[in-house]
Parts: sequence; C-alpha cells; structure tokens
Amino acid sequence: LAKTTQPISMDSYEGQEVNITCSHNNIATNDYITWYQQFPSQGPRFIIQGYKTKVTNEVASLFIPADRKSSTLSLPRVSLSDTAVYYCLSKQAGTALIFGKGTTLSVSS
Amino acid sequence: DGGITQSPKYLFRKEGQNVTLSCEQNLNHDAMYWYRQDPGQGLRLIYYSQIVNDFQKGDIAEGYSVSREKKESFPLTVTSAQKNPTAFYLCASSIGSDSDLEQYFGPGTRLTVT
Repeated sequence: LAKTTQPISMDSYEGQEVNITCSHNNIATNDYITWYQQFPSQGPRFIIQGYKTKVTNEVASLFIPADRKSSTLSLPRVSLSDTAVYYCLSKQAGTALIFGKGTTLSVSS
Repeated sequence: DGGITQSPKYLFRKEGQNVTLSCEQNLNHDAMYWYRQDPGQGLRLIYYSQIVNDFQKGDIAEGYSVSREKKESFPLTVTSAQKNPTAFYLCASSIGSDSDLEQYFGPGTRLTVT
C-alpha cells in the first residue's frame, strides 16, 4: 500500500493561500490522490481527488506533477472556518482508505 | 435530506458489556464502512460491506462484529472482547466499492467504556 507523508501542522492567516504538500513516493499506477477535511468531533469530508496534472473545484485545487510522487492541495484565501485537519490519501478504487494523522491547519485573524 | 445518521452521539458503557452502534444511510449507496479514531490519530478501518449480506474485516476487526441485512443499515457491535473500546466511531458510505474514493461520513459516535 502506498504511504503518504504530510506535515503535522501549518499556520496561516485569513485571506492567504495555503498549500499543503503530500509525499507519496511509492504510489502505484492505479492509485488516485484524494484529500479529506475533518473538523473536531465530526466525520471527514471529501474535498478533492485527482490522478495527474491539476484538478480544481469550488473548494480547492490539487496539483500533481508528472512523476506523481507528490501532490499539493491548494486552498485559496483561507478563512477561520478552514481551520481543520486535512488528510492526504493515496489509494486504488476498491481498496481501503488509509488515513494517517493528517495536517492540522490553524488559521488566525 | 440525504445523508448518514449515527446514533447516539455519545454512549457510555461499563466494561464487559456489548454495545451496538447504529448507522443508517438514505443515499442508496451499496458500500458502507466503519472506522475508529483515537485522539490525535487518523482513522482505522474496522469492517466494510460492499453489498447486502456481505462484509469484510478491516485492519482492526478483532473485538467487533457487524451485520448488513439491509442496504440502508450497517450496525457495529463492540463486544467485551475489544480491549480498548473507548474511541470515536465513524460510519461512512460510498456509491460502490469501485467508486469509493469519495466516502460520505456520518457525525460519529463517541463511546466511553469505564
């Protein structure tokens, strides 16, 4: 199973762009990259998924370079409500989600 | 409203008692999952079910049991054999096992066993 590595924590201020990079050196050909957001005492919420290049939705962008050994979740103009834990997962369809400890993002005013 | 419901939100039990956590979904999803989360940790998969009347063990199935008699329901029983049952339990569902990159999670049940 591909293992992901991401920073334990990050700090930011309101209105800034936040980029969280995830390393997945042994990603398999069929693996997708997916990101989840979790607030305290709630279940995780799906944010975005991608296989290569760039994916954008109303919440975030996901950048995956050609070698696919890393990916970057980009949150534009964060607000206080974006304070949460962000999980990077690398998986194939039909296999289990493996959640690590994630990145705790703290946004200050 | 479509979604996943888990009840109760908080549950307290004495050591040695079995306890069943409820999970219901009205999303018409085929696949359902149970995870456990300990403080400061990520989620760990307990059991999952890809279809009614079928389920598979996850990474930490020992001390737990499940059933999937209906598509909408996937209850989890924490048995007295589970050595450290106090945790935050999360249920999730996805359209199917081949479309499981996007899972929808319930609000969770926090179980405390003393």
